[in-house]
Amino acid sequence: KQEVTQIPAALSVPEGENLVLNCSFTDSAIYNLQWFRQDPGKGLTSLLLIQSSQREQTSGRLNASLDKSSGRSTLYIAASQPGDSATYLCAVGDGANSKLTFGKGITLSVRP
Amino acid sequence: DGGITQSPKYLFRKEGQNVTLSCEQNLNHDAMYWYRQDPGQGLRLIYYSQIVNDFQKGDIAEGYSVSREKKESFPLTVTSAQKNPTAFYLCASSTTGEEQYFGPGTRLTVT
Repeated sequence: KQEVTQIPAALSVPEGENLVLNCSFTDSAIYNLQWFRQDPGKGLTSLLLIQSSQREQTSGRLNASLDKSSGRSTLYIAASQPGDSATYLCAVGDGANSKLTFGKGITLSVRP
Repeated sequence: DGGITQSPKYLFRKEGQNVTLSCEQNLNHDAMYWYRQDPGQGLRLIYYSQIVNDFQKGDIAEGYSVSREKKESFPLTVTSAQKNPTAFYLCASSTTGEEQYFGPGTRLTVT
């Protein structure tokens, strides 16, 4: 059974810092991987989707990479801002039916 | 204005009562999903549907039921058989194999 791990559970950084959020998964036979952002009490906002044939995706200050063979993905956030404070969730898709297995998330706090 | 709507935002029920959570999407997506989120835990899949009139159990389907009579709608019923129904419920939809989009969620409290 696929397991997704995100460590650490919480992270606090000063504004302007470049940071990397890590995600690891146990079964490398994935279909895709998706990064989400969740603000307190809200639904999830999709940030980036990486298909299994891709190595990385970029959107603005965000860059997500995927290394299937090692079971790892990273979300890179450049020049962090207080508005980036949220919980970031990694989810792995196991097939065309898009069933996602989620990690528990990393709660990021960017200090002004 | 395309998206996924969930209603109500907050729902309160007494133990022993069934309750139905609404999820509607106008994104023309074939697939729809229901997840449950508990504090300190990742999202867990309850049910999913890839086409109308068909749905499959997810990892934690016990005590829940769904229907998919229309492409746009995927209501979730939390039955009295669900032992710990208090949670944040999230609905999502996608084109098969593609990015999932989520609704704003319904917070259910059962006392």
